Amino acid sequence: AQSVTQLDSQVPVFEEAPVELRCNYSSSVSVYLFWYVQYPNQGLQLLLKYLSGSTLVESINGFEAEFNKSQTSFHLRKPSVHISDTAEYFCAVRTQGGSEKLVFGKGTKLTVNP
Amino acid sequence: SQTIHQWPATLVQPVGSPLSLECTVEGTSNPNLYWYRQAAGRGLQLLFYSVGIGQISSEVPQNLSASRPQDRQFILSSKKLLLSDSGFYLCAWSKGQGARETQYFGPGTRLLVL
Repeated sequence: AQSVTQLDSQVPVFEEAPVELRCNYSSSVSVYLFWYVQYPNQGLQLLLKYLSGSTLVESINGFEAEFNKSQTSFHLRKPSVHISDTAEYFCAVRTQGGSEKLVFGKGTKLTVNP
Repeated sequence: SQTIHQWPATLVQPVGSPLSLECTVEGTSNPNLYWYRQAAGRGLQLLFYSVGIGQISSEVPQNLSASRPQDRQFILSSKKLLLSDSGFYLCAWSKGQGARETQYFGPGTRLLVL
């Protein structure tokens, strides 16, 4: 069975500071990896995903994540955050060639302060 | 383009009352459909998923049930609500297989059981 660990439940940062949200997973088979973002009182939106190929994936709003197979990690980073990035971020995995079901981490609440 | 709707957006129900939450998808056919519950500090828990009309798989034992009476309609129900049923309920859809399959989420229904 797969599992996802998001090591930080809350991350407070100041505006324009860099941020890293950590995600580690456990799986005996190859996986696809996802980051979703949830703004207050809204559903989840897909932020970025790793399926294959380049281990560095980017989103349209400046976030990036790097798949590290040896460390079983998929950390999310942004070099300079905005107030509008305040949200909860969820890491998720899905096995390759198996069920379509996603396994989510418990989420990291990012709060960007002025 | 595809859109997913959930209603109601917010619901307050007394303990022991019935429940019916609805989810519909537009712009696609024969999607996979999912119900998740999000409780504070516990991330997302997959409750049910469906690969076709009348085909429901349950992930956790509980007093909730799901039905798929039409291709793009997914309903979450309960005969008698418990206090522990409070939470944020998210519906999601996906289509495709392997790397092409990505889940997209609805806006959610916030349920408070008193």
